Amino acid sequence: NAGVMQNPRHLVRRRGQEARLRCSPMKGHSHVYWYRQLPEEGLKFMVYLQKENIIDESGMPKERFSAEFPKEGPSILRIQQVVRGDSAAYFCASAQGASNEKLFFGSGTQLSVL
Amino acid sequence: DAKTTQPTSMDCAEGRAANLPCNHSTISGNEYVYWYRQIHSQGPQYIIHGLKNNETNEMASLIITEDRKSSTLILPHATLRDTAVYYCIVRGRGTSYDKVIFGPGTSLSVIP
Repeated sequence: NAGVMQNPRHLVRRRGQEARLRCSPMKGHSHVYWYRQLPEEGLKFMVYLQKENIIDESGMPKERFSAEFPKEGPSILRIQQVVRGDSAAYFCASAQGASNEKLFFGSGTQLSVL
Repeated sequence: DAKTTQPTSMDCAEGRAANLPCNHSTISGNEYVYWYRQIHSQGPQYIIHGLKNNETNEMASLIITEDRKSSTLILPHATLRDTAVYYCIVRGRGTSYDKVIFGPGTSLSVIP
């Protein structure tokens, strides 16, 4: 029973390029959360999605960031025109339900912007 | 903002019990207390959760006060591998969505 899979594990991009981070939730889970963790800081909520729907994107920067969770395939966090300040660890978590469900986290994607 | 407050850091001797407190004085009747931990650079890991009764599993015990305004996570025999940041979270139950907010947590150092 595979856990939450994130890839790539490490991603290096130059300023101005696009970054695509993928998250495959656990089998049977249709709820996905994305978090960002800057160096030496805590986890910051970004977005919560259910299959084909964005439920809460209150933590997403208004520009350059977008997320999707299509009917088929993984959830994607997309960052356009990356800047050095986007360098961080990005974690996704999946859950079976909307609330009172424990979250299962992936190992994260470490994004480095040169 | 997180609905909980925790000490910034704690030390614990290896083999001893680690008792991590959490204050959640504004908790409402339909909110559970969840604990997660994050070992350096890894994804957070679920530990335990409870509503009002004490809970125990293979990882830890959770003691919730009668008024539910605070709780304590107990690692009965701490090992070096328990060194991590521990997060206490309160979260509603039911079918409605409730955002999961992580505070700064408690950085636990288990000392040989």
